[in-house]
Amino acid sequence: GNSVTQMEGPVTLSEEAFLTINCTYTATGYPSLFWYVQYPGEGLQLLLKATKADDKGSNKGFEATYRKETTSFHLEKGSVQVSDSAVYFCAPNAALIFGKGTTLSVSS
Amino acid sequence: ETGVTQTPRHLVMGMTNKKSLKCEQHLGHNAMYWYKQSAKKPLELMFVYNFKEQTENNSVPSRFSPECPNSSHLFLHLHTLQPEDSALYLCASSQEGQGGNEQYFGPGTRLTVT
Repeated sequence: GNSVTQMEGPVTLSEEAFLTINCTYTATGYPSLFWYVQYPGEGLQLLLKATKADDKGSNKGFEATYRKETTSFHLEKGSVQVSDSAVYFCAPNAALIFGKGTTLSVSS
Repeated sequence: ETGVTQTPRHLVMGMTNKKSLKCEQHLGHNAMYWYKQSAKKPLELMFVYNFKEQTENNSVPSRFSPECPNSSHLFLHLHTLQPEDSALYLCASSQEGQGGNEQYFGPGTRLTVT
């Protein structure tokens, strides 16, 4: 069946550190892939997406590349900020399932 | 109003009460969803409506009853809940049939069952 495996958190980083949050999935076919972010007290919001193999989604300095061969969609950011502190969810489309979420905490 | 709105934002209810959660989307989407978000558990899909028809019911207990009167409104009727039903209930919408199908979420209703 469809499933998502997401890196367990929490992840604690200092400002300007490099971030990677791993995500792998199993799904029928080649779904669109998404990263959502949830800030405290809010619902989820789309961070970035990629709709086909080798596509790179990017937004707010975050990037993720659709890797068909490894069924992965790892989230990266070169220099995190305190304002990036939130919970991040990986989600392949159509299966309507989400990863467990990774809590990121960035300190100044 | 823009996006997806949910009311109330916070709700405290006893196990014998009946209450309803409301969701409204102002995006012209044709699909709406209810999710349950509990601490330390993955986001759980509860119900899906496409074009007002329920297409998914993920083995949700009957004490949760959804209603979708039109493509812009979605309700979740609650009765005789249990303390373990305390959670953040999120509504989302999307436009099915287009590439991508990203979902737009409301801010959620924080439900506490006493």
